Amino acid sequence: GENVEQHPSTLSVQEGDSAVIKCTYSDSASNYFPWYKQELGKRPQLIIDIRSNVGEKKDQRIAVTLNKTAKHFSLHITETQPEDSAVYFCAASYGTGGSYIPTFGRGTSLIVHP
Amino acid sequence: DTAVSQTPKYLVTQMGNDKSIKCEQNLGHDTMYWYKQDSKKFLKIMFSYNNKELIINETVPNRFSPKSPDKAHLNLHINSLELGDSAVYFCASSQGTIAGELFFGEGSRLTVL
Repeated sequence: GENVEQHPSTLSVQEGDSAVIKCTYSDSASNYFPWYKQELGKRPQLIIDIRSNVGEKKDQRIAVTLNKTAKHFSLHITETQPEDSAVYFCAASYGTGGSYIPTFGRGTSLIVHP
Repeated sequence: DTAVSQTPKYLVTQMGNDKSIKCEQNLGHDTMYWYKQDSKKFLKIMFSYNNKELIINETVPNRFSPKSPDKAHLNLHINSLELGDSAVYFCASSQGTIAGELFFGEGSRLTVL
């Protein structure tokens, strides 16, 4: 099965700084890499994703990069704001039994100080 | 309209009891999942069903038994609850034949005393 490592486990930044979270995966068959944001007491929600045929994707202040050769992908948040404070999860999806199963990293708690 | 709904939202019970959590999705998805989120926030997959068929059964004690009466429902029954079962259980769904977004329910916080 897939194994996803995520670093750092905690990230503390000042408002306006950039934040970078990195993940590595083990299964070269994985081809879909989503990022989820989970605010305190809420459900995880997708914020951005990237497929294996693309190296980079950007959506306003967030961007994701993928290096298939090295099997790692990263989330970049620019101009951080206090409302970006949350736990962020990366995931890698592989196909089995006719479905795609996401395996999650252990999460990064991002704290943005005003 | 709630896309993925699970009940109950909170469950407090004694060790040794049996409890169930229900999940329903109205998105027309063919794949549903149960994830366990422990106190350290780790989201660990427990089960996955595709069109009512079990496709993933991770290392989970056999006290946990999922049931999918149809592709819109995936329920989780837990026998002989233990302290270590305390966690938030998330149901999710996706159009599993395409690698894509998981839609999560609000979570069910289980506390075993």
